[in-house]
Amino acid sequence: AQSVTQLDSHVSVSEGTPVLLRCNYSSSYSPSLFWYVQHPNKGLQLLLKYTSAATLVKGINGFEAEFKKSETSFHLTKPSAHMSDAAEYFCVVTKDSNYQLIWGAGTKLIIKP
Amino acid sequence: GAGVSQSPSNKVTEKGKDVELRCDPISGHTALYWYRQSLGQGLEFLIYFQGNSAPDKSGLPSDRFSAERTGGSVSTLTIQRTQQEDSAVYLCASSLAFQGLNYGYTFGSGTRLTVV
Repeated sequence: AQSVTQLDSHVSVSEGTPVLLRCNYSSSYSPSLFWYVQHPNKGLQLLLKYTSAATLVKGINGFEAEFKKSETSFHLTKPSAHMSDAAEYFCVVTKDSNYQLIWGAGTKLIIKP
Repeated sequence: GAGVSQSPSNKVTEKGKDVELRCDPISGHTALYWYRQSLGQGLEFLIYFQGNSAPDKSGLPSDRFSAERTGGSVSTLTIQRTQQEDSAVYLCASSLAFQGLNYGYTFGSGTRLTVV
């Protein structure tokens, strides 16, 4: 069965420093993987997606993620955090039914001035 | 419309009452999904529509929950005899058929349901 584990419920970084949000998945097939962001009182927004093309995926707002099959990981990174990045981030994997998504529990990113 | 619209944005109801939550997807999106987000947790799949039919209702937590979609557009999620554990944010998303797999889904802002 597919599952997603976001290793940190909260991550706190200073503005201007790198961001790393960790995600591990398990899947019996080659899944598609996504990162979504949810700002306070706003809807979910797709940050980036991996769909078996390039393993390094670039998304919006300077975020990127690398698909590592050997480590079953899909960590989200950004070189320099901005105050506007403060939000909750969800790692998501497709289920083998091909229309369901399995969601991680989310990581709250806190940016310190 | 330009995005996925959900109404109401907030709903407070008394335990035991029925509630209806509405989702208006992006025009032309044939696939529609309902998810539930409880406090501090990821999203929980409820039901999926392709057109007006629901191939998969397996995520509905009990028979108090039902959903329908008419005209391949608006969908209504109904919760009968609400319980306190039904309190959550109910999110609707739409996509162009299976494009959601490759391009993600467009989510509405959700309906925050509080059962008191």
